[in-house]
Amino acid sequence: QVQLVESGGGLVKPGGSLRLSCAASGFTLSDYHMSWIRQAPGKGLEWVSYIVSSSSYTRYADSLKGRFIISRDNARNSLYLQMNSLRVEDTAVYYCARENQAWQHLLDLWGRGTQVTVSS
Amino acid sequence: EIVMTQSPATLSVSPGERATLSCRASQSVGINLAWYQHKPGQAPRLLIYGESTRATGTPARFSSTASGTEFTLTVSSLQPEDFAVYYCQQYNDWPGTFGLGTKLEI
Repeated sequence: QVQLVESGGGLVKPGGSLRLSCAASGFTLSDYHMSWIRQAPGKGLEWVSYIVSSSSYTRYADSLKGRFIISRDNARNSLYLQMNSLRVEDTAVYYCARENQAWQHLLDLWGRGTQVTVSS
Repeated sequence: EIVMTQSPATLSVSPGERATLSCRASQSVGINLAWYQHKPGQAPRLLIYGESTRATGTPARFSSTASGTEFTLTVSSLQPEDFAVYYCQQYNDWPGTFGLGTKLEI
């Protein structure tokens, strides 16, 4: 079954760190560029980060100011998001998503998301 | 950053009726516009993109049109499983920005 499954979310205090994982199955992760998207409570979807299939290029939302790091392990069919210096405003559901092979930034497969709550 | 504006925020429709959802881009995105369906607790799902290309598994009752920076998603005859939140997204430029969504409710 073709799917993405996120894990690693939870409750963390401001200033803390968390590492999200996304397990891909049913397809070869190394064939695709991948992204993390988030949705804060009552807000819209926001692109967090992007990584190409070879890991040679990454990109981040300007609002993150270098606090997050995206990475991947194609041999393990996994995508990661290391989140540091977490803030209350980082509270959101975080989704991993696959980029369509023909159209850049078109997301043709999403996971169900993992909840991250930053609170003291 | 390109801003995507969706309307209405909520649309109340009866099963079997037609629903029309709108999305406007703050600048040209060509035809690089996608619609996603999102149900609570589920993964968002790509529905339709570009020149009304339906993604795998999207029923034919879903269609889209474009006119400049104005885009429309139409569901011709609503089925019970169609009640969800719909997001438009431009994928013409980084970051691929999303609208705030239209909740389609019974």
